Amino acid sequence: DQQVKQNSPSLSVQEGRISILNCDYTNSMFDYFLWYKKYPAEGPTFLISISSIKDKNEDGRFTVFLNKSAKHLSLHIVPSQPGDSAVYFCAARGEYRDDKIIFGKGTRLHILP
Amino acid sequence: NAGVTQTPKFRVLKTGQSMTLLCAQDMNHEYMYWYRQDPGMGLRLIHYSVGEGTTAKGEVPDGYNVSRLKKQNFLLGLESAAPSQTSVYFCASSYESNQPQHFGDGTRLSIL
Repeated sequence: DQQVKQNSPSLSVQEGRISILNCDYTNSMFDYFLWYKKYPAEGPTFLISISSIKDKNEDGRFTVFLNKSAKHLSLHIVPSQPGDSAVYFCAARGEYRDDKIIFGKGTRLHILP
Repeated sequence: NAGVTQTPKFRVLKTGQSMTLLCAQDMNHEYMYWYRQDPGMGLRLIHYSVGEGTTAKGEVPDGYNVSRLKKQNFLLGLESAAPSQTSVYFCASSYESNQPQHFGDGTRLSIL
C-alpha cells in the first residue's frame, strides 16, 4: 500500500511560469514532509521541508504548502528555470524517532524553453 | 568535503555471484541507509543503521546483508546475486533520524 503518492509521473512547464508538483499521503501519523530533487546519474538532494505544525514554508523560488485535512502537499517553483528540470521526490515520516522516511515514486519535471 | 561516497559506481555480476557495496560518509552522521531505486518504484529502504555496530531491516531487506563496523562506513552485501536485484543503489546518511538525508551518487548494478 503506497503511503506517499505522486500521481503525475511527469510534468512539462514553460520557462518562467509556475511549476506545481503534487503529493498525497494516506498515513495521518506523518508529521514531517520533505521534497528531494534528483538529476540523472546523481543522488537525490534535499530541497525543502515542512512540519505538520505549519501550512507553508518558503525558500527562495521554492514554496511547499501542506493541507493536513486533505492529506495533500504541493511544491511550487516560481519562476521555473531550465536547471529545475529533474525528478522530484516527495517524502514523509512520522513523529517518532524510529520512524523511517517514506518516498513517493517521483515526478519528472521538464522545463520548456 | 566529500559527503557521501559510494563505490563502485557501476558493476555487472552474474547470477549467484557475491559482492559488497561500500558507502562512506565524512559528516560524522549517526544514521546511515541503503535504498534501491527501480523504474516506477521510487526509493525503497533496504537496511539502515542508527549508529556504529547497529543494523536494522527496512522495507525490502531480503537477499541483502549489511554491516556498520565503523561509524563512517556502511556496507551492503549481496551473497548470491539474482536478476531481481538489478537496480540503482543509493546510500544516505543523516545526523538525526528526523533530519534530511544526504545521498551518494548511486551504484548501478546489473545482474545477468
